[in-house]
Amino acid sequence: KNQVEQSPQSLIILEGKNCTLQCNYTVSPFSNLRWYKQDTGRGPVSLTIMTFSENTKSNGRYTATLDADTKQSSLHITASQLSDSASYICVVSDMYSGGGADGLTFGKGTHLIIQP
Amino acid sequence: NAGVTQTPKFRILKIGQSMTLQCTQDMNHNYMYWYRQDPGMGLKLIYYSVGAGITDKGEVPNGYNVSRSTTEDFPLRLELAAPSQTSVYFCASSSGTFREQFFGPGTRLTVL
Repeated sequence: KNQVEQSPQSLIILEGKNCTLQCNYTVSPFSNLRWYKQDTGRGPVSLTIMTFSENTKSNGRYTATLDADTKQSSLHITASQLSDSASYICVVSDMYSGGGADGLTFGKGTHLIIQP
Repeated sequence: NAGVTQTPKFRILKIGQSMTLQCTQDMNHNYMYWYRQDPGMGLKLIYYSVGAGITDKGEVPNGYNVSRSTTEDFPLRLELAAPSQTSVYFCASSSGTFREQFFGPGTRLTVL
């Protein structure tokens, strides 16, 4: 069964500090991996989409890495801001669906709190 | 370009009542989805559609129905509401090679 595990479940850091969120998956065959940011009371918003051949992708202060061999991804946030407080969701797609609904496996998310 | 819109934003139902959650997208996406998110939990797929006239069940379809008569609209129908259906419901749409999903703002439903 395809699974996506995220860690830590929750994290509290001080404003200005860096942090790294982890995503381990067992989805096979792999197509792509997505990181979403979900603010409280809002729908998820895409941060990055990574394919098999991509190791690193940045979006401003967010940098995602992918190791397809170990089936691990990380999301690194640099110089955190209060607005980074949110849940971060890892979603992995298998190759057959190419991203169709029956091929998406969602992680439960990491709840990040930035304190001033 | 409004993206994905959902109505209503909030709703309180009594046990046994029925209602329809509306979802509309203006991006001409083929794929549309309905998810529910319980407090502190991840998103669970209820139903999805790959195009007008085509729908399929997701992980938790019991107690719900959908239809897709147009590309833009994908309403979710709750029949005989139960307290277990208290949740936040998100609609999403996607297209393109990697089918990046765009989510609506959600509908917060309470069944008492």
